[in-house]
Amino acid sequence: GESVGLHLPTLSVQEGDNSIINCAYSNSASDYFIWYKQESGKGPQFIIDIRSNMDKRQGQRVTVLLNKTVKHLSLQIAATQPGDSAVYFCAERENYGGSQGNLIFGKGTKLSVKP
Amino acid sequence: KAGVTQTPRYLIKTRGQQVTLSCSPISGHRSVSWYQQTPGQGLQFLFEYFSETQRNKGNFPGRFSGRQFSNSRSEMNVSTLELGDSALYLCASKPTGRFQETQYFGPGTRLLVL
Repeated sequence: GESVGLHLPTLSVQEGDNSIINCAYSNSASDYFIWYKQESGKGPQFIIDIRSNMDKRQGQRVTVLLNKTVKHLSLQIAATQPGDSAVYFCAERENYGGSQGNLIFGKGTKLSVKP
Repeated sequence: KAGVTQTPRYLIKTRGQQVTLSCSPISGHRSVSWYQQTPGQGLQFLFEYFSETQRNKGNFPGRFSGRQFSNSRSEMNVSTLELGDSALYLCASKPTGRFQETQYFGPGTRLLVL
């Protein structure tokens, strides 16, 4: 398959365990954050998003936590499955006095699930 | 609904040539953004189009350009290709409306410049 990052941080977990993927964002003015999953040879797939007026949001098997104090975002995946193996990207959208900027993506974390 | 489609999926060009990539957004989506993805730089924003107008632009040279048609389909063009332009080019569309912020990506066009 295609490699979307040759030197990505890698998280290796056992099938059935919970995974936590972390992301530090850069701009305290960012008002919207989003996580994507990218499998080899495919485009990024939306997982979950969160606005800056929230601290936590839950989806199916996934939870996003936002800590604005330290500009940190995390993605928790419950009961990780082999199909969760992929590269995960966080992205932030900067807000300049009401004018929305574009999405700025992190470098990504490669999640490897061992059966 | 069908997802975002991009054509072609793979392309090989030589330095100095130009290339045009095409993107069809999800039906009803009027915003289309383009990104370049490379192993070294990751995902970088190129530009966003909405209602045939460029709404936002990333930090790329003028060799990179785009346009959007009245049916929201978009094309991007890279002129005078360089080796460093080899990348996966991704298109993403977004619904219109307040609080509609999620971008949905296509599979990308893999461009190799020789």
